[in-house]
Amino acid sequence: EAQVTQNPRYLITVTGKKLTVTCSQNMNHEYMSWYRQDPGLGLRQIYYSMNVEVTDKGDVPEGYKVSRKEKRNFPLILESPSPNQTSLYFCASSPTRGDGYTFGSGTRLTVV
Amino acid sequence: AQSVSQHNHHVILSEAASLELGCNYSYGGTVNLFWYVQYPGQHLQLLLKYFSGDPLVKGIKGFEAEFIKSKFSFNLRKPSVQWSDTAEYFCAVNARSRDDKIIFGKGTRLHILP
Repeated sequence: EAQVTQNPRYLITVTGKKLTVTCSQNMNHEYMSWYRQDPGLGLRQIYYSMNVEVTDKGDVPEGYKVSRKEKRNFPLILESPSPNQTSLYFCASSPTRGDGYTFGSGTRLTVV
Repeated sequence: AQSVSQHNHHVILSEAASLELGCNYSYGGTVNLFWYVQYPGQHLQLLLKYFSGDPLVKGIKGFEAEFIKSKFSFNLRKPSVQWSDTAEYFCAVNARSRDDKIIFGKGTRLHILP
């Protein structure tokens, strides 16, 4: 089944403790992206990747890192999480940048 | 800067009512247009998309959308809604330029009364 898999689904952590949210797609898509969804603000892009080893900042990159060492994986790293990063995070992929996305199931992160 | 506006933040309808959700964008060039749906507690799913050709696009679950270039609009419609259509709906626009970025609207929460 074609899908984008994110883990974990739920995560509660403390301020400053590094964490990684994994994202993997099995559709051989070139383009992958991370979004955060907050009430009243919709979806905001954090980082995106056009291909292996090619990543770039989205609209809200501060406090986040990504890497794209393999085509299928695009992990999101929070080196020192803060409470304002409490949010619902979605990974998405598409064949090309302008095409429709396939979204992962989301990761609800709470930073206390 | 490019932007996407969804004017209705919250819509409440009774079952069998007709639905139209507005979406306007600001970009003068060529665009790809999308509507996504997010059911409660779930991820976003693509409802339909427009790249070119017939401006009336049919999607899944009986939804359709019409691209009106002169109005910079891509409104979502359904003739008769069901309780199961209760969800949040997002319009998204890709400006087909060097930037080629997809921008999402803030979403419209649709609540269908049984």
